[in-house]
Amino acid sequence: GAGVSQSPRYKVAKRGQDVALRCDPISGHVSLFWYQQALGQGPEFLTYFQNEAQLDKSGLPSDRFFAERPEGSVSTLKIQRTQQEDSAVYLCASSFKEAGVSYNEQFFGPGTRLTVL
Amino acid sequence: GQNIDQPTEMTATEGAIVQINCTYQTSGFNGLFWYQQHAGEAPTFLSYNVLDGLEEKGRFSSFLSRSKGYSYLLLKELQMKDSASYLCAVLYNFNKFYFGSGTKLNVKP
Repeated sequence: GAGVSQSPRYKVAKRGQDVALRCDPISGHVSLFWYQQALGQGPEFLTYFQNEAQLDKSGLPSDRFFAERPEGSVSTLKIQRTQQEDSAVYLCASSFKEAGVSYNEQFFGPGTRLTVL
Repeated sequence: GQNIDQPTEMTATEGAIVQINCTYQTSGFNGLFWYQQHAGEAPTFLSYNVLDGLEEKGRFSSFLSRSKGYSYLLLKELQMKDSASYLCAVLYNFNKFYFGSGTKLNVKP
């Protein structure tokens, strides 16, 4: 497929479990972003990769959140010891250029809905 | 972040015109995007403004005033399928996007 894909689409975890969310960006896209979207809210920035380099992780809410993109394509967002407040939709977006370029449309994946019980 | 404000919800009638406003902090501004998001789906790109003025794309237009920190999305000839949330997003300092909370638009027959 030509778009951004994410897996799983839905994840239910018990409080305290670790989860891993995967993002497959559009092939050749340099930039990759992770966002957290709570119900009824807009997406909130978590972290940004330019190729394999994580250039900005200022939005990660705690040290339980970790993201990687080791080969500059697929990315994984890992949440350790999940808490109920982590329940949200996690969106991944990719763009063709690096983030420092003015016009840089982001293409979003369908998201992973995480529910922590 | 960056105080991006837009109305929570709006209702309009099929065939009508609706304007969704967005205000934002101007410091560090590098561009403004509008996205459409249907419930349970990913946001999809609608428009981009970086210079003052109106950008028109079919039934959708977007306006920007950089000095006022203000934008609006104008939807004409509303259709039922336009019922969705509309997200205003601002690029700051070339490397960070901040989204508003979204405006839920209800189109009624």
